[in-house]
Amino acid sequence: ETVLTQSPGTLSLSPGERATLSCRASQSVDSNYLAWYQQKPGQAPRPLIYGASNRATGIPDRFGGSGSGTDFTLTISRLEPEDSAVYYCQQYGAPVFTFGPGTKVDVK
Amino acid sequence: QVTLKESGPALVKPTQTLTLTCTFSGFSLNIDKMRMSWVRQPPGKALEWLARIDWDDDKFYSTSLKTRLTISKDTSKSQVVLTMTNMDPVDTATYYCARIRYTGGYYFDYWGQGILVTVSS
Repeated sequence: ETVLTQSPGTLSLSPGERATLSCRASQSVDSNYLAWYQQKPGQAPRPLIYGASNRATGIPDRFGGSGSGTDFTLTISRLEPEDSAVYYCQQYGAPVFTFGPGTKVDVK
Repeated sequence: QVTLKESGPALVKPTQTLTLTCTFSGFSLNIDKMRMSWVRQPPGKALEWLARIDWDDDKFYSTSLKTRLTISKDTSKSQVVLTMTNMDPVDTATYYCARIRYTGGYYFDYWGQGILVTVSS
């Protein structure tokens, strides 16, 4: 089973700055099967990126995904206070799914 | 419009069996390649995938929990049911049902609001 590791654990940035979040897999992941989610307190996760680099419906272009193999990155440019949340990566390796431990982003 | 909603008990006792129901609308689980899952999240912790059921009734489970989980569907009622046996306080979590999108990549495109289940005597 593929284990996902995310770094950093917490990221504190100011509005307008750029956030770079890392997701590393214990073995190679098919890029088609790597996704990112945003979760705010008390809410269900919201899909941001699928297929490593495709934005989900309604996601602004400030959010971008990249990577391949075992190293993937979520980039949030021009941070806004509403981007404060925990961000999770997720991979699919048939037939199971795994999530990373999350990166908390604090924008203030 | 796709919606999902979880229902079930908010409190269960240790050793009891938990039964959760996900009632969904806006799509059919009868459609070719449609799949759904359950995911849980202990308070303050990360997401954990639990189980998946496919349009053709194929079922898959988390390796660590497969002996305790059963997933089923009732397409006539647009429901997916998860049972978890021998509940323990460490199973206290918010349980989500989610639809799996399979085109362009396997990910969860719609989620229910979640249901907090507390395991306590």
